[in-house]
Amino acid sequence: DQQVKQNSPSLSVQEGRISILNCDYTNSMFDYFLWYKKYPAEGPTFLISISSIKDKNEDGRFTVFLNKSAKHLSLHIVPSQPGDSAVYFCAAVGRETSGSRLTFGEGTQLTVNP
Amino acid sequence: EPEVTQTPSHQVTQMGQEVILRCVPISNHLYFYWYRQILGQKVEFLVSFYNNEISEKSEIFDDQFSVERPDGSNFTLKIRSTKLEDSAMYFCASSLFYEQYFGPGTRLTVT
Repeated sequence: DQQVKQNSPSLSVQEGRISILNCDYTNSMFDYFLWYKKYPAEGPTFLISISSIKDKNEDGRFTVFLNKSAKHLSLHIVPSQPGDSAVYFCAAVGRETSGSRLTFGEGTQLTVNP
Repeated sequence: EPEVTQTPSHQVTQMGQEVILRCVPISNHLYFYWYRQILGQKVEFLVSFYNNEISEKSEIFDDQFSVERPDGSNFTLKIRSTKLEDSAMYFCASSLFYEQYFGPGTRLTVT
């Protein structure tokens, strides 16, 4: 099942710089996208989401961009902080599914260096 | 801030035994879910539950699995006869709309 893919298993950035995490999807029925952050031994924590009718959503330091034609979304974190170091998952929800199952990507380990 | 809770945090069981994983979803949420993550793999959907019945289940959720909402607050996942490959982190989640809120997980180890 490769419907949601995060091609970069890891990303390392300096504190204060921008972190850009990428996600691609193949299922054109997906119409809502979410980003989650996960620390070891904890559950995924919801960060930010975007509907397919938008191309950008911003919440504080976090901005999600959606390019529907390319089936690509990205999460920008500015400025990055050491506490942002975690695994980031993108997830998608499709119109065709009731109960709103999330389909997850593999995750990207973000490390923010002081 | 309301949160999803799960018990136990770690469960060790022998192959063939039954286990029950427990969850208390956020109180005003309507949809409830179970996911699992096998070490090194993606988070995978198991089942969703709405209005006291299963609304969707994945191919993983076979006859060995069942879910129940025995009262107004708890949501349980039962595995009738555990297999070695059931070893994973099991996450409960709940939602009102699209945004799902996850519990801390139960680490199930089948020996």
